[in-house]
Amino acid sequence: RKEVEQDPGPFNVPEGATVAFNCTYSNSASQSFFWYRQDCRKEPKLLMSVYSSGNEDGRFTAQLNRASQYISLLIRDSKLSDSATYLCVVNAYSSNTGKLIFGQGTTLQVKP
Amino acid sequence: DADVTQTPRNRITKTGKRIMLECSQTKGHDRMYWYRQDPGLGLRLIYYSFDVKDINKGEISDGYSVSRQAQAKFSLSLESAIPNQTALYFCATSDARTGDNQPQHFGDGTRLSIL
Repeated sequence: RKEVEQDPGPFNVPEGATVAFNCTYSNSASQSFFWYRQDCRKEPKLLMSVYSSGNEDGRFTAQLNRASQYISLLIRDSKLSDSATYLCVVNAYSSNTGKLIFGQGTTLQVKP
Repeated sequence: DADVTQTPRNRITKTGKRIMLECSQTKGHDRMYWYRQDPGLGLRLIYYSFDVKDINKGEISDGYSVSRQAQAKFSLSLESAIPNQTALYFCATSDARTGDNQPQHFGDGTRLSIL
């Protein structure tokens, strides 16, 4: 089983749609969770951290379910500019080494 | 100016050549990382460093070496490049002062092709 698993997609949605991505992780001791965005051939950029109580940043909402070991990202009112690959990221070990494990990413295409 | 700068941005070279990729940062972060990204495989950690002279192997360190001579610089070397090292390479940094599991910040990447 991969340490971080994501549905690679692609998810093709019209502008204005709501879309959700899920990610599962295998290490129950993981403490830190993030969503990154990566545009084609560009560097990954931090989109948002994921907190235990769930958190929202504008049109983006992240949720964490520790019992089931999954993380979700909800994008409301999709824009063309949201087209990108979204990486689910989890810290590697509970010993706080700073190492992160990256999922392979979920590709989103927002169509006019 | 970018906080994490990688040079070169693109490089094409031949099998057997020694190559060095440079990373420098102005963020003042202690921790630095080198990853490679291949289609369908995601980001894989090559080496990481938590401080000057501190070097740790990642999951795919074979065929690579690194040097951390200064806090702001972390270089990656391919001693004798081979075609399956063709990939997109990223340097990243994180700040341990604000907690152990902080997000990482990436450079623009180096696209390396080994012929």
